[in-house]
Amino acid sequence: GDSVTQTEGLVTLTEGLPVMLNCTYQSTYSPFLFWYVQHLNEAPKLLLKSFTDNKRPEHQGFHATLHKSSSSFHLQKSSAQLSDSALYYCALSDDTNAYKVIFGKGTHLHVLP
Amino acid sequence: EAGVTQSPRYAVLQEGQAVSFWCDPISGHDTLYWYQQPRDQGPQLLVYFRDEAVIDNSQLPSDRFSAVRPKGTNSTLKIQSAKQGDTATYLCASSPEQFFGPGTRLTVL
Repeated sequence: GDSVTQTEGLVTLTEGLPVMLNCTYQSTYSPFLFWYVQHLNEAPKLLLKSFTDNKRPEHQGFHATLHKSSSSFHLQKSSAQLSDSALYYCALSDDTNAYKVIFGKGTHLHVLP
Repeated sequence: EAGVTQSPRYAVLQEGQAVSFWCDPISGHDTLYWYQQPRDQGPQLLVYFRDEAVIDNSQLPSDRFSAVRPKGTNSTLKIQSAKQGDTATYLCASSPEQFFGPGTRLTVL
């Protein structure tokens, strides 16, 4: 079945440094990948989703590229901000059931001043 | 546009007690989801509906959990006899694009 792996439970870095959060997936069918962000005591919010035409989605300075060859959808940002501190979830659905979304375990990003 | 609303926001129970959670999705969203999010874990799908029909409830512990969406709008998730292992935040979301409500944080003592 489909699955999502986020290998880092916690990423700590200093403001201004680049961010990369890892996400790999397994899917039998054509996948759709998402990144959600969850700030403390808030609900998850959609940050990015993959496009079917391989365009690179971007939002709030974050971007991610779907690489089907390596089954990856890593989240990147060129310069971390303090306000980026949050939980980030990678999630997956596929073209057989686009409404069923499977979430990874999440990566906690902690940005230090 | 109003978002997804949930109530109550918090619930504290003793083991064996029952509890119901209520969700009002975004108007016009035909697909509604219930997730369980244990502390420090990602959301785990319990059940989802399209309109009033259950599409997938394979992860719902059917002996104690039930979910309904009788008119294809609001939904109720009920736990009949809560266990300590049910302690989690229960999230409701509606689609497209999985807009999440604020969640109900459940603690079972």
